[in-house]
Amino acid sequence: NAGVTQTPKFQVLKTGQSMTLQCAQDMNHNSMYWYRQDPGMGLRLIYYSASEGTTDKGEVPNGYNVSRLNKREFSLRLESAAPSQTSVYFCASTGGGGTGMGNQPQHFGDGTRLSIL
Amino acid sequence: AQSVAQPEDQVNVAEGNPLTVKCTYSVSGNPYLFWYVQYPNRGLQFLLKYITGDNLVKGSYGFEAEFNKSQTSFHLKKPSALVSDSALYFCAVRGLNNDYKLSFGAGTTVTVRA
Repeated sequence: NAGVTQTPKFQVLKTGQSMTLQCAQDMNHNSMYWYRQDPGMGLRLIYYSASEGTTDKGEVPNGYNVSRLNKREFSLRLESAAPSQTSVYFCASTGGGGTGMGNQPQHFGDGTRLSIL
Repeated sequence: AQSVAQPEDQVNVAEGNPLTVKCTYSVSGNPYLFWYVQYPNRGLQFLLKYITGDNLVKGSYGFEAEFNKSQTSFHLKKPSALVSDSALYFCAVRGLNNDYKLSFGAGTTVTVRA
């Protein structure tokens, strides 16, 4: 029972390099999310996809792009990495449909630890 | 806007003693409230949620939380802490008019000493 799978687990980039973080879920969930976790700041939402074919900005979208490839997969791209993007990135998904998912918990992957030099 | 405050960065308790992790929230209308736990190098794991109904919610691993609407609080409790409860705990809120976005607190590190 894989749940939410993120790849890679670790990555070191140089400033200005680009990279795509991959996320896939096998729970048939409609909604998927990308967060970043920084010490003392909790989790901040970068982008989310309420359903296949839609994406929306969260709190901290600058410097990132996303693609909801299909119902299972939701990728996060850094076009030109900056040291301020050094963080742990988490993908999550949640079930339910339409606007009725408010009471469903989110399921998280184990994160991608990204360092930008 | 919705937000969560966890006023304590760290909570230290002895094994066998009660554990409380505090959370207050701000949201328009009635909230959906969640607690998650994070172990080192892992993602967040769902512990429990409050949607409606009984103010005392029971969850995984012997944890419970009490919803208090007048104090806008949702404190996490465990009657007898274990060393294995040592982890990072997050409170989160979603407003009923905001189906898709969850707002997290900054987290509270719990250390249970043997």
